[in-house]
Amino acid sequence: QKEVEQNSGPLSVPEGAIASLNCTYSDRVSQSFFWYRQYSGKSPELIMSIYSNGDKEDGRFTAQLNKASQYVSLLIRDSQPSDSATYLCAVNGAGGTSYGKLTFGQGTILTVHP
Amino acid sequence: GAGVSQSPRYKVAKRGQDVALRCDPISGHVSLFWYQQALGQGPEFLTYFQNEAQLDKSGLPSDRFFAERPEGSVSTLKIQRTQQEDSAVYLCASSLVRPPGEQFFGPGTRLTVL
Repeated sequence: QKEVEQNSGPLSVPEGAIASLNCTYSDRVSQSFFWYRQYSGKSPELIMSIYSNGDKEDGRFTAQLNKASQYVSLLIRDSQPSDSATYLCAVNGAGGTSYGKLTFGQGTILTVHP
Repeated sequence: GAGVSQSPRYKVAKRGQDVALRCDPISGHVSLFWYQQALGQGPEFLTYFQNEAQLDKSGLPSDRFFAERPEGSVSTLKIQRTQQEDSAVYLCASSLVRPPGEQFFGPGTRLTVL
């Protein structure tokens, strides 16, 4: 089992729709969770961080965390063609050898079509 | 303010050559991370510095890989006797605080070993 799992997609949504991206992780004591957006040929760009159970909203983005289910998601409302990118879920370990490093999923490719 | 910068942006090396990749973190950022990203995959952790101390080098794939951050600012990732399997994008990230804070990525160095 991979430490961080995402559906690779591609996920295709129409412009204006809600895009829902999901991620599960295996380390039960993980502390912090991040979503990065990566355009083709570019480096990852941090778009959301979440540290406690529940929802966190920032503009059109909402991150949701459920530590009991080891599940984190990202919702993008009113999707735009410019949102088309690969979305990477990243988890920071709680301690020991995991502390400090981010463990990434393989990324979900999102395509927003006009 | 200025983000993380990396140089060179592209490097082509012949198999067996040594290469050095440089990272300038965001000013004042305590933590610095190196990741390796293969095509179509999420970044994989290589090593982590807190100031000048290398606290975790568990991700370095072999003893041909060496990283340093002697004055707690600029870091260099050195790869000796490069192999074709070393071809990847090498990403540097920095964080203002100790983990598990947010990490911000530089543009990366694309290394191609012929």
